[in-house]
Amino acid sequence: DIQLTQSPSSLSASVGDRVTITCRASQSISSYLNWYQHIPGKAPKLLIYGASTLQSGVPSRFSGSGSGTDFTLTISRLQPEDFATYYCQQGYSGAYTFVQGTKLEIK
Amino acid sequence: QITLKESGPTLVKPTQTLTLTCTFSGFSLSTTAVGVGWIRQPPGKALEWLALVYWDDDQRYNPSLKSRLTITKDTSKNQVVLTMTNMDSVDTATYYCARSTYPYNCFGPWGQGTLVTVSS
Repeated sequence: DIQLTQSPSSLSASVGDRVTITCRASQSISSYLNWYQHIPGKAPKLLIYGASTLQSGVPSRFSGSGSGTDFTLTISRLQPEDFATYYCQQGYSGAYTFVQGTKLEIK
Repeated sequence: QITLKESGPTLVKPTQTLTLTCTFSGFSLSTTAVGVGWIRQPPGKALEWLALVYWDDDQRYNPSLKSRLTITKDTSKNQVVLTMTNMDSVDTATYYCARSTYPYNCFGPWGQGTLVTVSS
């Protein structure tokens, strides 16, 4: 099974900050890595698919990069509505694993 | 506008079979590269992908749950049905359906989710 490790598990930041979240796969998953945002009480939201393609309607301050085993999600200038939990998910094979996520909190 | 909505029982007894229906609008399951998947989240735990059906009736299952799951689509009704047999308390979770895109096997948009509690 492909294992994903996301870091950090939690992060405190301020409005306007640039933040980066990383996701590492236990084996190469090419570019089959997707990123989601989840605000409690709301449906999860797809942000990035195929490692770097921005989902329609998602603000351009979100970006994704990487291939193989190492991936990053970057939020260039945090907005108040960005404080949420972020998950990576592999769509390469097997169980299309999600991970526990990164909780982004206001400093 | 794409919308999805999950429906089904909120409470099931241990050993029973759960049947959930996802009713969607704004897209068609006859369109190439389009699918619908099911994902759940137990309280305080991570999201877990369950099953996925694509436009060509390619059905995919989480290997750890495959023996308990069946996913079917009704293209004319814009519905996807998930059945899960032999429910247990560990299956208590919020169950979501979401549109999926081939070949990335990504999920979005999502429905609001439905909380299913397994208890006698």
